[in-house]
Amino acid sequence: QSALTQPASLSGSPGQSITISCTGTSSDVGGYNSVSWFQQHPGKAPKLILYDVSYRPSGVSDRFSGSKSANTASLTISGLQAEDEADYYCNSFTSTGSLVVFGGGTTLTVL
Amino acid sequence: QIHLVESGGGLVPPGGSLRLSCAASGFTFRSYGMHWVRQSPGKGLEWISFIRYDGTNTKYADSVKGRFSISRDNSKNTVFLQMNSLRTDDTAVYYCVKEGLGSYINGICPGFDSWGQGSLVTVSS
Repeated sequence: QSALTQPASLSGSPGQSITISCTGTSSDVGGYNSVSWFQQHPGKAPKLILYDVSYRPSGVSDRFSGSKSANTASLTISGLQAEDEADYYCNSFTSTGSLVVFGGGTTLTVL
Repeated sequence: QIHLVESGGGLVPPGGSLRLSCAASGFTFRSYGMHWVRQSPGKGLEWISFIRYDGTNTKYADSVKGRFSISRDNSKNTVFLQMNSLRTDDTAVYYCVKEGLGSYINGICPGFDSWGQGSLVTVSS
């Protein structure tokens, strides 16, 4: 069982907005503003799309945004496009056990 | 452009050993901590190990502690993962990962900004 909890799957239509949640505890998500999000297409390596909750690396579309409230971080994708269909993972620094914990991943389907 | 190229994966029997290498280029390797993250077939990502930029500090996930060892050679821009006493549940794609975007907490930065293509390790008899 992953340390951070994400919904297993979500779907949306082109042009819509969807939000993926990432729930942890006060020892990880709630305790630090160090949540990152990754996008992974089939057969490819993950790609960083957000860091420190809401910051985008250079070159990442501004359709991706992030936020955090208490022990839950969220990734919002607006204006869904077919290319957004992928697996999404969150991670966070943790003060317990492993230094870094990942969520179980969310498979996003664009209908 | 940053490149991380893993090598050394393959098929190994349970109880065997394997050494992964990751050759880095395109950035000042000696200035960044490096991690290994693995992904079992059809499963999610699991962080397994970290090494500080100068090699003076290493950390491991409980699942590999005592069996895996991370090291680096800054003169050759390479990070290694020595895997001993391998088990069938170690079967996974192993990614070499560079940290560096975002906040550092206790010397660790979860903003993994560059990933290798992955090296498949299969533990089976």
